[in-house]
Amino acid sequence: SQKIEQNSEALNIQEGKTATLTCNYTNYSPAYLQWYRQDPGRGPVFLLLIRENEKEKRKERLKVTFDTTLKQSLFHITASQPADSATYLCALDPYGGSQGNLIFGKGTKLSVKP
Amino acid sequence: DAGITQSPRHKVTETGTPVTLRCHQTENHRYMYWYRQDPGHGLRLIHYSYGVKDTDKGEVSDGYSVSRSKTEDFLLTLESATSSQTSVYFCAISGTSGGPGNEQFFGPGTRLTVL
Repeated sequence: SQKIEQNSEALNIQEGKTATLTCNYTNYSPAYLQWYRQDPGRGPVFLLLIRENEKEKRKERLKVTFDTTLKQSLFHITASQPADSATYLCALDPYGGSQGNLIFGKGTKLSVKP
Repeated sequence: DAGITQSPRHKVTETGTPVTLRCHQTENHRYMYWYRQDPGHGLRLIHYSYGVKDTDKGEVSDGYSVSRSKTEDFLLTLESATSSQTSVYFCAISGTSGGPGNEQFFGPGTRLTVL
């Protein structure tokens, strides 16, 4: 069956450290993969998109990698801060972008302790 | 929230009653989506629209219908609400007048409780 998995339900790290979140998928060949942030009681907010021909993408303290051979994306937050505490969702479009439909992982709840 | 509103924000209803949730956007995006979010399941697509009067089913469409008579409005109807439809419902938009675009912009959500 097709699925997308985020390996950790929760991740606790110390302020200043690098948080690394994992997203794995099976039986898809997505043209791109996305990461979203969701705070309690709010809708997800788009963070980054990485295409299949891109190995790495950065935005400020955020970095995403995409390995289509391993069928895996890694999401890094460097120099983490308590304000980074949230649930992070990965998502992919199984139809290659033709419809915009996204399949979401269940999310990883990140807690950054001061 | 990128010019997306959802109404109502909270609703409590009884089993068997019809319920309509509204999503309104001011961004003129062509694509609109309805998701539900439940613990242990994450976000799941219910229905989506790729234009006025153009809609299609998502992963969990049973018991739901949608309508889109104007670009800015996308309605989700629970024809006869059941307790299993207790959830948080999110509307999302993407794309401009062309393709679906890539990133989606989400509304604030509607928390629905069916007793």
